[in-house]
Parts: sequence; C-alpha cells; structure tokens
Amino acid sequence: QVQLQQSGPGLVKSSQTLSLTCAISGDSVSSNSAAWNWIRQSPSRGLEWLGRTLYRSKWSNDYAASVKSRITINADTSKNQFSLQLNSVTPEDTAVYYCARDEDTSGWSIDYWGQGTVVTVSS
Amino acid sequence: DIVMTQTPLSSPVTLGQPASISCRSSQSLVHSDGNTYLSWLQQRPGQPPRLLIYKISNRFSGVPERFSGSGAGTDFTLKISRVEAEDVGVYYCMQATQFPRTFGQGTKVEIK
Repeated sequence: QVQLQQSGPGLVKSSQTLSLTCAISGDSVSSNSAAWNWIRQSPSRGLEWLGRTLYRSKWSNDYAASVKSRITINADTSKNQFSLQLNSVTPEDTAVYYCARDEDTSGWSIDYWGQGTVVTVSS
Repeated sequence: DIVMTQTPLSSPVTLGQPASISCRSSQSLVHSDGNTYLSWLQQRPGQPPRLLIYKISNRFSGVPERFSGSGAGTDFTLKISRVEAEDVGVYYCMQATQFPRTFGQGTKVEIK
C-alpha cells in the first residue's frame, strides 16, 4: 500500500518561498511507472494541478503554465521523497496542498494522495 | 487547457436510490495512444480525494461495485446504483489526456 506523508510550514509570508516535502512509502520515487505530483485546492480555484516529476532513465518535470515561472519539484532518492518549492507567493497561493502519485496501470489517474497541508500566505 | 464541466453541481439523493453525475470536456479526451484518460474521484469532508474510476470505466482497488463509469469522447457519466450514507461528499472528474491535468468543479452528493 502506497502512503504519502507531507511535511512543511502552514504559514508563509508574501513574497517568500513555500516549501513542502512528501515522503513516500510502498513505492519508489525512481519508479519507472509512476510520477509524483503536487496539487492544490482552494474555494476560488477548486482542484488545481501544479506539476509533477518522474524518472524514465533521467529525471523530467511537467509544470502548469500558471505557476511555471515560480515552481520547482525535485526528487530526493536517498530519502525516497519529493518536494515542492513555490517562489514569490501571494495571498492567492493560500490553499490546501496535496502531494499525489499517478501511475501507468491506473491510467495516469491520481491514485494515492497525501493528507494535505493547509498553507496560508500572509500579506 | 481542457475545461471539465460537471452537472449537476448538487445532487440530493434518497438512501438506496441511484445517482448520476455528468462530466463534459471542452475537447476529446482520446489520447494519441487510443486510451481515454478520464477518471472520477470522491472527496469526503475533511479528507483528500480518493480515486474511484480510471480510464472511463475501471474501478480502482477496493471501490464498491455500486460505482460505475461510462462515456466516450467528450461526455462521461458516473453512476451510483444505490446511494449509501458513506457516499456523501463531492465528486470530481479529472482528465489526464493532456497537460495540464484539469478537474471538474465538483458535484456535491447529499442525502435528502
């Protein structure tokens, strides 16, 4: 059973960097059939996919255009985890942030989710 | 971006009765590999979403048989054959055919 455990601060000041980490158990961040995503949810935007990282002989990323200039998703193979960094945050980045897996056998659906982290950006 | 539109936004249902949710995409979800990457998720209050259905009609591990999915191209449906109390929550469709992945706005299922 795949489990994703999120960690990171719940309060970030405007213009600073939001940083979250997702520790994986039951799978490998280097899996050749999975990808590791960050998704956020807010009343104003609903569910919004931010990006993902995956390993297929080498690491690659896919990012949403809406955050592409501010986002970095990295994997740490030594700790079997991946992270989100979102720069220059504003109060509009206030949301519940989820890490999640998508995988080939489940049709690239988001099949496992972290518990969520409520992040508030203060002005 | 592909826009996913769900109807209705709210669905009051009597226990034991069926429920149906529609999802329409702004363009075809048929991928160049021939697959259609449309999934359905359930979000109970205070919890992260949970995968129910992938590739239109495949139930994910542990999902009860009362949940079924159908559709093709741009029009998809999630059906609950007999609603139980634990089915209360918000249901989302999601497409993984193109980047960025996009979600419907959600349909709230509640008991009458």
